[in-house]
Amino acid sequence: DIQMTQSPSFLSASLGNSITITCHASQNIKGWLAWYQQKSGNAPELLIYKASSLQSGVPSRFSGSGSGTDYILTISNLQPEDIATYYCQHYQSFPLTFGSGTKLEIK
Amino acid sequence: QVNLLQSGAALVKPGASVKLSCKASGYTFTDYYIHWVKQSHGKSLEWIGYINPNSGYTNYNEKFKSKATLTVDKSTNTAYMELSRLTSEDSATYYCTKGNYYVMDAWGQGASVTVSS
Repeated sequence: DIQMTQSPSFLSASLGNSITITCHASQNIKGWLAWYQQKSGNAPELLIYKASSLQSGVPSRFSGSGSGTDYILTISNLQPEDIATYYCQHYQSFPLTFGSGTKLEIK
Repeated sequence: QVNLLQSGAALVKPGASVKLSCKASGYTFTDYYIHWVKQSHGKSLEWIGYINPNSGYTNYNEKFKSKATLTVDKSTNTAYMELSRLTSEDSATYYCTKGNYYVMDAWGQGASVTVSS
């Protein structure tokens, strides 16, 4: 199975700032990576697929990058509604696996 | 708009089975996979498997092969997941998702399963 290692586990940042979350795959996943946002008490929602493609309706302050084994989710101009836990997920092979999550707090 | 409406919370006894439902609307049900995902309390997400509603083809995470059974009813646009021989380890929230192949682009609201005597 491909292991997805996310960091940091917890992140605190100020409104208007930018943050980055990283996801490292245990083997080359060739860009087959998605990012999800889960707000407290809700189901996850898709933000990014194919490493850098923005899902329809997602604000442009969210962006993704990376290749091979290393990927980054960037949130620019942090807003109060961005408080959530963020997960990466690979879909290079089966089983599909998720990262352990990054919980974002606003300072 | 796409909507996946899941059945409500379930309280089940150890050793029993439970069948969760997921009614899809707002899109052509047979054009997209249905994935199921487990989230234990406060934990990350685990992929259980997916079903192709058009063909009935299933693909399971090895970890859940003897635990979960995925089916669909095309006449009602409903997907089902049956969990068998339940233990406390199966207490979790289970999500059905609409899969654009292996990207989960819409999620149900989740169904909580509690296993307790």
